[in-house]
Amino acid sequence: SQQGEEDPQALSIQEGENATMNCSYKTSINNLQWYRQNSGRGLVHLILIRSNEREKHSGRLRVTLDTSKKSSSLLITASRAADTASYFCAPRETSGSRLTFGEGTQLTVNP
Amino acid sequence: NAGVTQTPKFQVLKTGQSMTLQCAQDMNHNSMYWYRQDPGMGLRLIYYSASEGTTDKGEVPNGYNVSRLNKREFSLRLESAAPSQTSVYFCASSATGISYEQYFGPGTRLTVT
Repeated sequence: SQQGEEDPQALSIQEGENATMNCSYKTSINNLQWYRQNSGRGLVHLILIRSNEREKHSGRLRVTLDTSKKSSSLLITASRAADTASYFCAPRETSGSRLTFGEGTQLTVNP
Repeated sequence: NAGVTQTPKFQVLKTGQSMTLQCAQDMNHNSMYWYRQDPGMGLRLIYYSASEGTTDKGEVPNGYNVSRLNKREFSLRLESAAPSQTSVYFCASSATGISYEQYFGPGTRLTVT
């Protein structure tokens, strides 16, 4: 299946620093979505980037997509303690009808 | 709007017991999904319903059944619970098709002893 694989598995930074998480996938996609999960909660959609887009911004989030390398990155700028969460990428295949989630990146932002 | 609601929040079952997890959404979404989340495994799709009246198997459907009761409600049933079904279960919904963002419920933490 078209599972996104996040890297690194865990990331620990200080408040105010930038956090970068990467995602790789295997086949052609229609779009790629990023989600956040706070401990003990459901996932929350952060941003969607379509296959014909290369970069997208939303507040302190910047997502890039390189379809030739089958990879995406999520950058969180000026991180805050409240950004502590797990972050998942979910590629949407061009064929098929489902999103698949990887194991996520556990981000810890230390105050 | 409540978004996506799930009941119960927690449940403990004995092996062989049955139960139904309930999910409802008030966003008029056509598509609904059931996932399970296990440590080190990410989220895995159990079943989904692209629209009212249709259901399809996901990645890990064995041991589960679903019912799309109406546009709002999508239930997941465990007929004979097994310890391997100990997990956190999430329901989600989206507008037509999964190209759209999914909205998740708060989850049901199920333990099977």
